[in-house]
Amino acid sequence: DAKTTQPNSMESNEEEPVHLPCNHSTISGTDYIHWYRQLPSQGPEYVIHGLTSNVNNRMASLAIAEDRKSSTLILHRATLRDAAVYYCILRALYNQGGKLIFGQGTELSVKP
Amino acid sequence: GAGVSQTPSNKVTEKGKYVELRCDPISGHTALYWYRQSLGQGPEFLIYFQGTGAADDSGLPNDRFFAVRPEGSVSTLKIQRTERGDSAVYLCASSLSVQGGSTDTQYFGPGTRLTVL
Repeated sequence: DAKTTQPNSMESNEEEPVHLPCNHSTISGTDYIHWYRQLPSQGPEYVIHGLTSNVNNRMASLAIAEDRKSSTLILHRATLRDAAVYYCILRALYNQGGKLIFGQGTELSVKP
Repeated sequence: GAGVSQTPSNKVTEKGKYVELRCDPISGHTALYWYRQSLGQGPEFLIYFQGTGAADDSGLPNDRFFAVRPEGSVSTLKIQRTERGDSAVYLCASSLSVQGGSTDTQYFGPGTRLTVL
């Protein structure tokens, strides 16, 4: 499986935008880019996913580089509730059983 | 609607004992996954069920670990002769997909924290 690289931690101020980067230089043409996040003492939850085009949903936006070797998760206005570990995960189109392969993720802290 | 539930939320046991961890997936979800998360690490895949059968058990660390899903809904993860290194949070997830597709969203339960003394 292709590997992702994320910063260990990031800080943000409340109500400011946050850009969480992910590098995936060995991504293949059929890999989807998924983001999950894990709030303290909870299981991970789905945030967003994309293949080539930028994506928006009610939680966040996903900006994918033209060469697909990197992507950025954008939280438009961080709240205290957004403090979590954010995981960038690649999933092959014909995924081997659908399992998610998590890395270390980025721990986001949000200051009031 | 109800999400994925796991019981117990906490389990403390002694080295060498047998434990069972239960997962109730979202109703109608055919795919079910078990993951294990050690402190400070991301979740690690253990096993994946499609219906009643284990479609991928490549993540089970050794033969002390076993999981079943006899009726295609509830699943039980069983650990024999527990060791201190088994201490972790065990997470269960379920999804709608028939084939575990690459865009299929997994919904996670809150986990069971297992402590082996």
